[in-house]
Amino acid sequence: GENVEQHPSTLSVQEGDSAVIKCTYSDSASNYFPWYKQELGKGPQLIIDIRSNVGEKKDQRIAVTLNKTAKHFSLHITETQPEDSAVYFCAASGAGNMLTFGGGTRLMVKP
Amino acid sequence: GAVVSQHPSWVICKSGTSVKIECRSLDFQATTMFWYRQFPKQSLMLMATSNEGSKATYEQGVEKDKFLINHASLTLSTLTVTSAHPEDSSFYICSAGRGAINSPLHFGNGTRLTVT
Repeated sequence: GENVEQHPSTLSVQEGDSAVIKCTYSDSASNYFPWYKQELGKGPQLIIDIRSNVGEKKDQRIAVTLNKTAKHFSLHITETQPEDSAVYFCAASGAGNMLTFGGGTRLMVKP
Repeated sequence: GAVVSQHPSWVICKSGTSVKIECRSLDFQATTMFWYRQFPKQSLMLMATSNEGSKATYEQGVEKDKFLINHASLTLSTLTVTSAHPEDSSFYICSAGRGAINSPLHFGNGTRLTVT
C-alpha cells in the first residue's frame, strides 16, 4: 500500500519568515495530494491540494509543488503569521478517495 | 464550501457502555464516508470506509464488532463504539467527499471520547 513520509515533525519559524514542509510517497499510482491544517481539538481543514497533472499550485500565501518523478511534494507558506501555528498533514490518494496521511508537522510561528 | 458536521464533540462514558457518534454531510450527498482515529500528537489512522447502503470496509486490525458503522442515508454515517473500555479513549474523526474520484475530502471537527 501507500506510504507517506513527512518532514520535519516540528518546525519553528519567526513571524514573517517562510515555512516549508516536505512529503514523499511510495505509490507511483497516487495522483491526488491534499494538505490539511489541524488546530488543537479540531478536525483537519483542507488548505490546498494538487493533482498529478500539475507541478505547482498557489493560493495567496500558500503554495504546493509536486515532483512525480521523484515522488515528493512540498507545502510552502510565505509571510508566516502566528495564526498559521498548527499541525499540518500531507496526504496522498489513488483510486477510491482513500487518503494515506503523513505523520504531521507541528508548525510554530513565533511573534 | 462543503461542511461535515460531527456530533457529539466530546463524550465521557463508563466502561462497558456504548457510544454513538454521528457524521453528517450538510450540503452535499456522500456515498462514502471515512472514519479515523487519532491518538495525541499522532497522525490520523483510517479505521473504516462507510458505504451508503452496504457494509462498511474495515482496515486490518480494526474490530468490526467493536466499532459498528451504519451509513443509512447519503448524508449520515454513524460509528458506535460498543462495550467501551479505557483503551478506546481517543479522538475520532469522520470525513466525506462528494464521491468523484479524488474529490476533496472534508473532515468533521472530531469527537473526543473518554472512557472511565
